Amino acid sequence: SAVISQKPSRDICQRGTSLTIQCQVDSQVTMMFWYRQQPGQSLTLIATANQGSEATYESGFVIDKFPISRPNLTFSTLTVSNMSPEDSSIYLCSAAHLDYGYTFGSGTRLTVV
Amino acid sequence: LAKTTQPISMDSYEGQEVNITCSHNNIATNDYITWYQQFPSQGPRFIIQGYKTKVTNEVASLFIPADRKSSTLSLPRVSLSDTAVYYCLVGSTLLTGANNLFFGTGTRLTVIP
Repeated sequence: SAVISQKPSRDICQRGTSLTIQCQVDSQVTMMFWYRQQPGQSLTLIATANQGSEATYESGFVIDKFPISRPNLTFSTLTVSNMSPEDSSIYLCSAAHLDYGYTFGSGTRLTVV
Repeated sequence: LAKTTQPISMDSYEGQEVNITCSHNNIATNDYITWYQQFPSQGPRFIIQGYKTKVTNEVASLFIPADRKSSTLSLPRVSLSDTAVYYCLVGSTLLTGANNLFFGTGTRLTVIP
């Protein structure tokens, strides 16, 4: 399966600042996604990162708050903007490949203080 | 998307067989059933996928009755390292036009020594 490297693995940020999370896949993949997972809870899909075009956001998530880039078939970033304590969560990158299926990164544990 | 219902938690002793059942009454004709495993501080990991009857791989078996309204993940002779959250997902596969994964609540399995 594809291997995903997600950085940073964790961070503590001040409210009002922004954090960019990077996701690198070791092979070209069909689709990339970003999820959020509150501790002890299930995963919630934030958006699908589209290569060369704007991301597709799920209900409750907007581009101004979670801008996403995907400049090529192996890399994507998620920015959490103007952070508040409510944004404290685990953010996970996922990649989908026709041969490998879905693979997930290890996540970024974000704490906003 | 078919909604899934699973037990919130289960406990089992080491060496026992564990069966986790998932209900998906509104499963569509093209939907597959997929199970993922998630350890703390890691992203979900694919376990097994099936469409009907029985599927077996090196780590688990998946039993799907003829009406496909439920499925059972079977883990033979669990060990402490099988303690994790197990998610049942129902939907199209990448090969049949799926876009992304939607996770339900999951079942938290605790293996007791």
